[in-house]
Amino acid sequence: DTGVSQDPRHKITKRGQNVTFRCDPISEHNRLYWYRQTLGQGPEFLTYFQNEAQLEKSRLLSDRFSAERPKGSFSTLEIQRTEQGDSAMYLCASSLWETQYFGPGTRLLVL
Amino acid sequence: QKEVEQNSGPLSVPEGAIASLNCTYSDRGSQSFFWYRQYSGKSPELIMFIYSNGDKEDGRFTAQLNKASQYVSLLIRDSQPSDSATYLCAVITDGGSQGNLIFGKGTKLSVKP
Repeated sequence: DTGVSQDPRHKITKRGQNVTFRCDPISEHNRLYWYRQTLGQGPEFLTYFQNEAQLEKSRLLSDRFSAERPKGSFSTLEIQRTEQGDSAMYLCASSLWETQYFGPGTRLLVL
Repeated sequence: QKEVEQNSGPLSVPEGAIASLNCTYSDRGSQSFFWYRQYSGKSPELIMFIYSNGDKEDGRFTAQLNKASQYVSLLIRDSQPSDSATYLCAVITDGGSQGNLIFGKGTKLSVKP
């Protein structure tokens, strides 16, 4: 257990529904990252927060995706109008400097 | 496009042997290098990081970095069946304020008893 928690751990939804995932980082970590991982691939970067500021977004983050970190603590990742291609493991990581520690992930299945 | 390449394996070694995992990266500006272990269905777990050329040892694990050749490797000595997992190489290319990791696809290691 790295101290990064994610909720829910699993989510099954129907195509077109909205889903929201939560990440609670290690308490003293000011950096928070979201990644997506599909089967047989390494994690791919989605977005990055330093404190409450969203400083970078990947081109993978379409306009259906939005992320927030309102008070610089926990973060949420919302996917609107889910598509079957969104099925993946969504990973959150936090860091104080460069070394990132991952949470357990949220596995999303879109039917 | 900045890339990190790994042999997908599977790499099979007998118990007690040395497992050697390799990784190459495309961006010469890369500054920081990480190895993560990922068991099936689980999230990546940090094993080691290395910033400078040469070797870095931690228990049974040794990371090796050669920036001139743009490769980083991980040696696992006295391999155990519990080491069977996918090993992900990750690189930070910016070295700046973002620090997002670029991952390879991972090498699947199987340690046979």
